[in-house]
Amino acid sequence: EAQVTQNPRYLITVTGKKLTVTCSQNMNHEYMSWYRQDPGLGLRQIYYSMNVEVTDKGDVPEGYKVSRKEKRNFPLILESPSPNQTSLYFCASSLWIGENEQFFGPGTRLTVL
Amino acid sequence: SQQGEEDPQALSIQEGENATMNCSYKTSINNLQWYRQNSGRGLVHLILIRSNEREKHSGRLRVTLDTSKKSSSLLITASRAADTASYFCATPTGANNLFFGTGTRLTVIP
Repeated sequence: EAQVTQNPRYLITVTGKKLTVTCSQNMNHEYMSWYRQDPGLGLRQIYYSMNVEVTDKGDVPEGYKVSRKEKRNFPLILESPSPNQTSLYFCASSLWIGENEQFFGPGTRLTVL
Repeated sequence: SQQGEEDPQALSIQEGENATMNCSYKTSINNLQWYRQNSGRGLVHLILIRSNEREKHSGRLRVTLDTSKKSSSLLITASRAADTASYFCATPTGANNLFFGTGTRLTVIP
C-alpha cells in the first residue's frame, strides 16, 4: 500500500530534550516536506527536500533540522525543543511539487512542556 | 505574500444540501489543488485544476477556477455526514512549494 508513515504519532517531552520524528514513504517520491499545523494558522512549511542530499528551508525553519540521506526517509530533528514547538506535524511526499498531489502522513502530535 | 485563503472559515449545513467554499489567491498560478482533512488526520488530495481549465468534476465534487478574479470554488453536492471535515486550497509558491490556506471547516448535520 502506498503510504507515508510517521513515528511517533504522539509525543510529550520537556524543553531542551532532543527528539527526532521519522518520516518514510514507499512511493519512490522525489519531493518530501514537513509542515506544522496550528489553530488559526493553517499549515506552514518547515523544510522541504527536492531529492537526496537536497534540502531547503520553508516558511518556519527556526528550531528544526532535517536530513535526506535516503530517498524514502526524511526525519525532522528538534535539537532543543521549546514550548512554542508544540504543534501537529505532518510529513508529505510527491513525485515532484509542480502538478502532483501531495501524500500526507497521519501526523505527529507533539507537546513540549 | 500569502496565496490561497478559504472562505468561509466555517460552514454548517444539513445533510443533503450543497456546500460551497471559496479560495482566493494573489499571484498567477499554473494550478490549484483542494485537500480534505478529517479531524487531526493527514490531508487527502481531492482534485487539481489547471490554469487553462475553468471547471472540473470528480464524483460529487465540482471545482471552478476563475484566473481573472484569482479565485476558485469547491462545491460538494448532496452532502453527507461523512463530508464533515476541513477543506483547504493549495497553490504553488515559486517552483518548489505549495501554500495551504487556513481552511474551511465544514459540518454536515445528519
